[in-house]
Amino acid sequence: EAQVTQNPRYLITVTGKKLTVTCSQNMNHEYMSWYRQDPGLGLRQIYYSMNVEVTDKGDVPEGYKVSRKEKRNFPLILESPSPNQTSLYFCASRPGTGPYEQYFGPGTRLTVT
Amino acid sequence: DAKTTQPNSMESNEEEPVHLPCNHSTISGTDYIHWYRQLPSQGPEYVIHGLTSNVNNRMASLAIAEDRKSSTLILHRATLRDAAVYYCILYNAGGTSYGKLTFGQGTILTVHP
Repeated sequence: EAQVTQNPRYLITVTGKKLTVTCSQNMNHEYMSWYRQDPGLGLRQIYYSMNVEVTDKGDVPEGYKVSRKEKRNFPLILESPSPNQTSLYFCASRPGTGPYEQYFGPGTRLTVT
Repeated sequence: DAKTTQPNSMESNEEEPVHLPCNHSTISGTDYIHWYRQLPSQGPEYVIHGLTSNVNNRMASLAIAEDRKSSTLILHRATLRDAAVYYCILYNAGGTSYGKLTFGQGTILTVHP
């Protein structure tokens, strides 16, 4: 089954404790991205990657890092989480930057206290 | 980015057709019209997309106005499972979107049994 998986699905952590949210897709997609969803602000793109070793900032990249060492994986790293990063995070993938269907993961709900 | 305007909410009865409107008066010639939906507690899900001609798939139909300044997503027989937030998104595949989907607030669809 074609899918995007994320782990963990739920995470409660404390300010400053580094964490990684993993994302993996099994569709051999070149393009992957991370979004965060906040009430009243909708979904906003954090980072994206057009292919292995090619990443770039989205609209709200501050406080986040990403890496793309393998085509299937695109982890989101919060090196020093802060309470304003409490949010619902979605990983997504698509074949490329053309007008293709984009697949989203199930989401990771992060709470930073 | 070109903007879309959707009603905040709509209601329907089960097994009746639903027409979800979207206005995009500043659409450019290379903007594709995409529809996604987000069911409660899930990631966004692709529904359909088109450029100029009407499109049909197993989930829905997309009717695009001749001047492309508006479009309508048609669910032919609503079910309770169709209750979701529906997003109309313009995607410029050849421009500087770099794969980013810009989500607005969408239309909350309520389906009554």
